[in-house]
Amino acid sequence: GQQVMQIPQYQHVQEGEDFTTYCNSSTTLSNIQWYKQRPGGHPVFLIQLVKSGEVKKQKRLTFQFGEAKKNSSLHITATQTTDVGTYFCDPTYDKVIFGPGTSLSVIP
Amino acid sequence: EPEVTQTPSHQVTQMGQEVILRCVPISNHLYFYWYRQILGQKVEFLVSFYNNEISEKSEIFDDQFSVERPDGSNFTLKIRSTKLEDSAMYFCASTQSTNTEAFFGQGTRLTVV
Repeated sequence: GQQVMQIPQYQHVQEGEDFTTYCNSSTTLSNIQWYKQRPGGHPVFLIQLVKSGEVKKQKRLTFQFGEAKKNSSLHITATQTTDVGTYFCDPTYDKVIFGPGTSLSVIP
Repeated sequence: EPEVTQTPSHQVTQMGQEVILRCVPISNHLYFYWYRQILGQKVEFLVSFYNNEISEKSEIFDDQFSVERPDGSNFTLKIRSTKLEDSAMYFCASTQSTNTEAFFGQGTRLTVV
């Protein structure tokens, strides 16, 4: 199956700072999904990216899909304590496969 | 907003006992999944289910596990003889079709003592 690497594995930021997590693949992806899991919570779907170069925004979150469809990023502007959690990228088609994700801590 | 519901939220069982975890997927969804998350670890895929049969299962999903859709709404995970290492959070998920948004339930925390 398709494998992606997500970096960084952990990120600690001061509240108000920006945050970015990257997802990189050695092969071209057909699409990529992003999920978030709050501590003690369940995974929640954030977005799906399909088109080359696609950029989608959800309030302070900006999702990008690379032109070559081999990488993707999630950028959070001005983090808040509610952004705490683990963010996962998922390139699979028929089921969600979770890697270790990027665990975000926000220091108030 | 539609949601996947799981019961119970917490189950404590003695080692060797059978447990059944229950899920009600979103009503117009056709694909169903079980995942587990051992404390402090990542979410692991167990099994996917479509058209009343297992479509894929992971190495974790051995003969101790089974899934069933006993009626039009419930989707269950049975563990025949629980082991201490089965202690985990179990998530049910459903999708309308492949390559669409997966909705996860709140999970059932299983504690085997």
